[in-house]
Amino acid sequence: DSGVTQTPKHLITATGQRVTLRCSPRSGDLSVYWYQQSLDQGLQFLIQYYNGEERAKGNILERFSAQQFPDLHSELNLSSLELGDSALYFCASSVVGAGTGELFFGEGSRLTVL
Amino acid sequence: QKEVEQDPGPLSVPEGAIVSLNCTYSNSAFQYFMWYRQYSRKGPELLMYTYSSGNKEDGRFTAQVDKSSKYISLFIRDSQPSDSATYLCAMSAHAGGTSYGKLTFGQGTILTVHP
Repeated sequence: DSGVTQTPKHLITATGQRVTLRCSPRSGDLSVYWYQQSLDQGLQFLIQYYNGEERAKGNILERFSAQQFPDLHSELNLSSLELGDSALYFCASSVVGAGTGELFFGEGSRLTVL
Repeated sequence: QKEVEQDPGPLSVPEGAIVSLNCTYSNSAFQYFMWYRQYSRKGPELLMYTYSSGNKEDGRFTAQVDKSSKYISLFIRDSQPSDSATYLCAMSAHAGGTSYGKLTFGQGTILTVHP
């Protein structure tokens, strides 16, 4: 168990809908990262937050947004969903500045868009 | 062309075999190199971490980095059925402490070790 909790584990929805994925980082970790894993693209970095502030952005679509709350949990909002958004969405957390490259990943939220 | 290329396999070996997993990359700014292991229906977990060129050994695992060739490897000795998983290489340019989590991953190699 990595200590990172993601909900829901599975989500099935229709095109055009909006969903929210939730992540609770490991106790004490101030950084939260969101990654998308699909068969064709692999594991892709979406966005990073540190102590409530956005710190790095990857190939995140404009239809997607995220935030980190004062209690350090994070939410990833996906809107106007398309079939191609079906993927595993991982949250990871870390102690920023540790320099070891160790991200602790949750078990992911599997999104299926029909 | 992707920044990090990794043969997706699948790779199937008998128990006890030496396994070699490899990645190539194109971004010269990458300085930090990692191998993650991902079991089915689980998130990736860090196996090995190396900085710049050289070798690093941890038990049955050895990671090698050759920056001149932009090539990294992971060797698994005396492979076990419990090693069956997807192995992902990952890299970071580490532009600063606040962005080091921006890892670029390879596609992952699916490894099966059969008894």
